[in-house]
Amino acid sequence: EVQLVESGGGLVQPGKSLRLSCAASGFTFDDYAMHWVRQVPGKGLEWVSGISWNSGKIGYADSVKGRFTISRDNAENSLYLQMNSLRPEDTASYYCAKAVGSRVGFDPFNIWGRGTVVTVSS
Amino acid sequence: QTVVTQEPSFSVSPGGTVTLTCGLNSGSVSSRYYPSWYQQTPGQAPRTLIYSTNTRSSGVPDRFSGSILGNKAALTITGAQADDESNYYCVLYFGSDIWVFGGGTKLTVL
Repeated sequence: EVQLVESGGGLVQPGKSLRLSCAASGFTFDDYAMHWVRQVPGKGLEWVSGISWNSGKIGYADSVKGRFTISRDNAENSLYLQMNSLRPEDTASYYCAKAVGSRVGFDPFNIWGRGTVVTVSS
Repeated sequence: QTVVTQEPSFSVSPGGTVTLTCGLNSGSVSSRYYPSWYQQTPGQAPRTLIYSTNTRSSGVPDRFSGSILGNKAALTITGAQADDESNYYCVLYFGSDIWVFGGGTKLTVL
């Protein structure tokens, strides 16, 4: 069974950093691109970042570019999101999602984790 | 700035058919945008219904279908059921490894 389990969320002060992790199982991790998607409470989904199977292609939403860094460790079947200079508007549930193929572009995401909650507040 | 547009809300009668759309504030959506559709109920993770215009995700019943209608992507639900009452989101690929979600449609079945 394909499974994605996010971790690393919590309460953090504005301007601080946090690192999210996503542990993948049930599929050949390094065959697929991976993404992070977030959702502010009561609002819609926002694509945050995606990474190709070999980390060769990476994309970011304008709202996080320069502050967030996506990475993956194929040996550990893990996806990461390093979040720096956090702002209150980054408060959201963060979902890890598996793409249908190896490319960060062209291959949509179809499997989702349950999410981890990040709260940015003083 | 390109915005992905969806109807904020829609209603359908049980057993009825409804088509939700996903467009652009400027331009037309085609299959080159790889439109995909997701269903989400409050407190739950999204569930993938359709990806790449019209490919049904595993386990999704065939009463959910995707297409391009005119200048928009479309999600059609036939034989609507009470548990179809959810929020529905589309996402489009804009090139340069960038994806953008629409604002979502709240579907009511009544």
